[in-house]
Amino acid sequence: KAGVTQTPRYLIKTRGQQVTLSCSPISGHRSVSWYQQTPGQGLQFLFEYFSETQRNKGNFPGRFSGRQFSNSRSEMNVSTLELGDSALYLCASSVSGGAGETQYFGPGTRLLVL
Amino acid sequence: AQSVTQLDSQVPVFEEAPVELRCNYSSSVSVYLFWYVQYPNQGLQLLLKYLSGSTLVESINGFEAEFNKSQTSFHLRKPSVHISDTAEYFCAVRPSQGAQKLVFGQGTRLTINP
Repeated sequence: KAGVTQTPRYLIKTRGQQVTLSCSPISGHRSVSWYQQTPGQGLQFLFEYFSETQRNKGNFPGRFSGRQFSNSRSEMNVSTLELGDSALYLCASSVSGGAGETQYFGPGTRLLVL
Repeated sequence: AQSVTQLDSQVPVFEEAPVELRCNYSSSVSVYLFWYVQYPNQGLQLLLKYLSGSTLVESINGFEAEFNKSQTSFHLRKPSVHISDTAEYFCAVRPSQGAQKLVFGQGTRLTINP
């Protein structure tokens, strides 16, 4: 099976712009979670989608949003970018998001905000 | 709420030496425990997890971790490390009930010297 894929892998934006990141989960996986990784804050949970519904949300401002499509692919959007949004954004998928399930991570999208 | 503390941000060891990466957690509810590894410029990969049963869990590449409920710890060990083990290691917890997020520690950078 193909792993979790994320596009694009690298992105450079300027402050005030918006960005959309894409994640394709492993075939058959219906739960997709997003994480932000920075040197200062570490790995922080953004949100989780299951069957096109946001099931869980982390403590991020409303500028961060996401959605999931009927084929389980997911996108996250960040509007009005700030310098502090520079990070590695990781997507993870699992079969149904159960507590004991393994989450499979993609390689990430590295976002640089100038 | 849950929290995870990885007691060492960096651990340098010589090749073929034993290593222990320490992880303590705090939670008011029952949790599952995970260790993930991140190689340079890659996403996270599951190393091992504890859900229930034997408190000693092993991975296929020689790592093991022991769940200690009384000390709320889940330390990762390997009796003899290899250069290829150089990576960042993350301990994580997740409540065993409900659809909840993974909470990660800050990570431990393991550096293997020849």
